[in-house]
Amino acid sequence: AQKITQTQPGMFVQEKEAVTLDCTYDTSDQSYGLFWYKQPSSGEMIFLIYQGSYDEQNATEGRYSLNFQKARKSANLVISASQLGDSAMYFCAMREGTHSGYALNFGKGTSLLVTP
Amino acid sequence: DGGITQSPKYLFRKEGQNVTLSCEQNLNHDAMYWYRQDPGQGLRLIYYSQIVNDFQKGDIAEGYSVSREKKESFPLTVTSAQKNPTAFYLCASSTQDRGARQPQHFGDGTRLSIL
Repeated sequence: AQKITQTQPGMFVQEKEAVTLDCTYDTSDQSYGLFWYKQPSSGEMIFLIYQGSYDEQNATEGRYSLNFQKARKSANLVISASQLGDSAMYFCAMREGTHSGYALNFGKGTSLLVTP
Repeated sequence: DGGITQSPKYLFRKEGQNVTLSCEQNLNHDAMYWYRQDPGQGLRLIYYSQIVNDFQKGDIAEGYSVSREKKESFPLTVTSAQKNPTAFYLCASSTQDRGARQPQHFGDGTRLSIL
């Protein structure tokens, strides 16, 4: 079964606008971590933001914030004031307990295009 | 600067040939991972290692082999048994702290194609 679901294959947003990328997850663990990575066309994976399952506050890192709704098992990424350089693939990932040596389960990603 | 170095950036494999992808890290991380990415897909776990001289199969280990003789190095061999090896391969490393907030660090990847 898919552990991480990203339902938006592609998204468009105009420069300077905010955009929300959806992520839902499935786990029976109480302790887990959620990550968002950005992958530009060059291929490298750039870490954006982390949310722990016991964190009471939503994570924020500069223009990135994570809308964490634990009961709904969702961890949506919000990018404020979009820039042209934000155009990339975005992946949601989860680390569960000690599963696979702390390896990450990735969603299939959302392709974001920022237009002028 | 600490980081993960993958080489080569591009690799071509002939039929029946084994090829080895290099991954070196200087982050002093205990755990290292290999992921495969197909076009339009997320990353899938091939192998992981939590300690030197030990490694475990991930979700798609068939046709691949690894070694971990040094903490810094985790090479991946794509064997001739892997019938569809064309993909983007990413190596990653991380600490082993269960509660760690630190992310996995990734190399820049190797693109493997069939000749």
